[in-house]
Amino acid sequence: KNQVEQSPQSLIILEGKNCTLQCNYTVSPFSNLRWYKQDTGRGPVSLTIMTFSENTKSNGRYTATLDADTKQSSLHITASQLSDSASYICVVSAQAGTALIFGKGTTLSVSS
Amino acid sequence: KAGVTQTPRYLIKTRGQQVTLSCSPISGHRSVSWYQQTPGQGLQFLFEYFSETQRNKGNFPGRFSGRQFSNSRSEMNVSTLELGDSALYLCASSLGHQNTGELFFGEGSRLTVL
Repeated sequence: KNQVEQSPQSLIILEGKNCTLQCNYTVSPFSNLRWYKQDTGRGPVSLTIMTFSENTKSNGRYTATLDADTKQSSLHITASQLSDSASYICVVSAQAGTALIFGKGTTLSVSS
Repeated sequence: KAGVTQTPRYLIKTRGQQVTLSCSPISGHRSVSWYQQTPGQGLQFLFEYFSETQRNKGNFPGRFSGRQFSNSRSEMNVSTLELGDSALYLCASSLGHQNTGELFFGEGSRLTVL
């Protein structure tokens, strides 16, 4: 069964600290993996999209990694800011014509 | 460049009623996909429309339906509302199909069923 598991479920860090969110998937065949940031009450916003051949992709202070062999991805946030407080959702795409598979997200709270 | 627009943003209905939600995609985008988001289940795929044709459908009952017009605007309808239909309904548009193209989400329509 195609699944996407994210950990931890929630995380609290101090402003300025780094953190890493995890995403494990069992989707096959694999097409691409995406990370989205969703602020409370808003729609998700794309952070990165990675295909099979990409190991690392950055978007400002956000860096995503992908290990297609172990079917794991991580999202690293550097020098966190209060505005990073949000839900981070990992989404995996299988072959064209099939539905996207969403993880349930990691809720990050950055405190001052 | 205008983003994805969803209307209405908030609505309250009672059990048994029906509701229609609207989504206007980014200009030039041909794919519109719909998702239901609840605290317990997270985001779940409802359906995708591409050039007025339903391309894919998630695992939801037939009470959930949708359509896409020639200008790519899309509507989704939920009939015979149940309490469990209370959720944030998000639509997303993309240039290509949802599997390959970057998705741009609207702010959502929050439905409360009493």
